[in-house]
Amino acid sequence: QKEVEQNSGPLSVPEGAIASLNCTYSDRVSQSFFWYRQYSGKSPELIMSIYSNGDKEDGRFTAQLNKASQYVSLLIRDSQPSDSATYLCAVTKGYQKVTFGTGTKLQVIP
Amino acid sequence: ETGVTQTPRHLVMGMTNKKSLKCEQHLGHNAMYWYKQSAKKPLELMFVYSLEERVENNSVPSRFSPECPNSSHLFLHLHTLQPEDSALYLCASSQDYSGTTTDTQYFGPGTRLTVL
Repeated sequence: QKEVEQNSGPLSVPEGAIASLNCTYSDRVSQSFFWYRQYSGKSPELIMSIYSNGDKEDGRFTAQLNKASQYVSLLIRDSQPSDSATYLCAVTKGYQKVTFGTGTKLQVIP
Repeated sequence: ETGVTQTPRHLVMGMTNKKSLKCEQHLGHNAMYWYKQSAKKPLELMFVYSLEERVENNSVPSRFSPECPNSSHLFLHLHTLQPEDSALYLCASSQDYSGTTTDTQYFGPGTRLTVL
């Protein structure tokens, strides 16, 4: 079982729709959860971080964490073509052992 | 792009060459990281330095040798690489290495390495 699992996609959504990206993790003691966006040929950039159960909103982005079910998701409202990228889920536990998923490629169709 | 810079951006080297990758962070952070990103594989953490001390080495072959002379600079020395080492090498930094909420990592633009 992979430590952090993501569907590789591509996930295609029409412009203006809600994109839902999911990530599951295997280690129950994971403490911190991050979503990074990576445009083709570029380095990852942090979108959201979440540490406790529930929702965290930042503009058009909402991160959702459910530790009991061991999943974290990212919702992008009013998706724009500029949101087209690969989204990486990252999970850390004590002493900063950070593990990344393979990423989900999102395509927003104009 | 960010407060983390990497040079060179592209590197082509033969299997017998010796080269070095350089990373510099201008964020006043205390921790720096090297990652390898290959196609269709997750980011692989290679090394972590905290306050110039290596705190993590994820079973990386000895042909990769890191060096952290101070908290702002990180090097990755390359020697006798293999074609399968061709990848994007990313440097990152974070405020601390403590498992707290301040440990968000900021990435540099990466070095695209090709080993012939």
